[in-house]
Amino acid sequence: NAGVMQNPRHLVRRRGQEARLRCSPMKGHSHVYWYRQLPEEGLKFMVYLQKENIIDESGMPKERFSAEFPKEGPSILRIQQVVRGDSAAYFCASSPVSAPGANVLTFGAGSRLTVL
Amino acid sequence: GENVEQHPSTLSVQEGDSAVIKCTYSDSASNYFPWYKQELGKRPQLIIDIRSNVGEKKDQRIAVTLNKTAKHFSLHITETQPEDSAVYFCASRDNYGQNFVFGPGTRLSVLP
Repeated sequence: NAGVMQNPRHLVRRRGQEARLRCSPMKGHSHVYWYRQLPEEGLKFMVYLQKENIIDESGMPKERFSAEFPKEGPSILRIQQVVRGDSAAYFCASSPVSAPGANVLTFGAGSRLTVL
Repeated sequence: GENVEQHPSTLSVQEGDSAVIKCTYSDSASNYFPWYKQELGKRPQLIIDIRSNVGEKKDQRIAVTLNKTAKHFSLHITETQPEDSAVYFCASRDNYGQNFVFGPGTRLSVLP
């Protein structure tokens, strides 16, 4: 089991460009979470998805940010027209099933976005 | 929505001493409480978790206690070692929202 795979690990973009971050969950996991972590700060929830469905996007900015988890392929976090404040580590995590019951959240290695 | 607070934000202990980190949560429906350790530049990794039907859980040098009435849970690390130095995050999850809400983190430094 390869674990949660994120790519790219490092991404540099100029202001105004688009950033696409990809996440493949662990095998058998059907739920994906995206978190943003600024340097020296905590994990801020952005969005929670299952295949073809957004469960909770309450943490995601309304503008410029979008996320999807298609039936086939990885989950994608898309940031349009990036600004310097978008520079952060973006962590994806996956879990096997939804409620009821609690399940272990497994993190990927993160994608570090730098906006010049 | 759920709010998770965590204290202290930084903690320094001498090697061999114990470390305690405390978290409080607001949603009484929360029923799962994991702790994650994040070393510098690395991903958060689960170190221990507890469910609401249990008051305490131990795994070698680490333990977690839960007080559902007071809505707080704590991480205890005994006989600390330099490799325990990291940022520790608590989290909670409820049975309905399915989301994991994290505390702001505690930076633990174990001094040799």
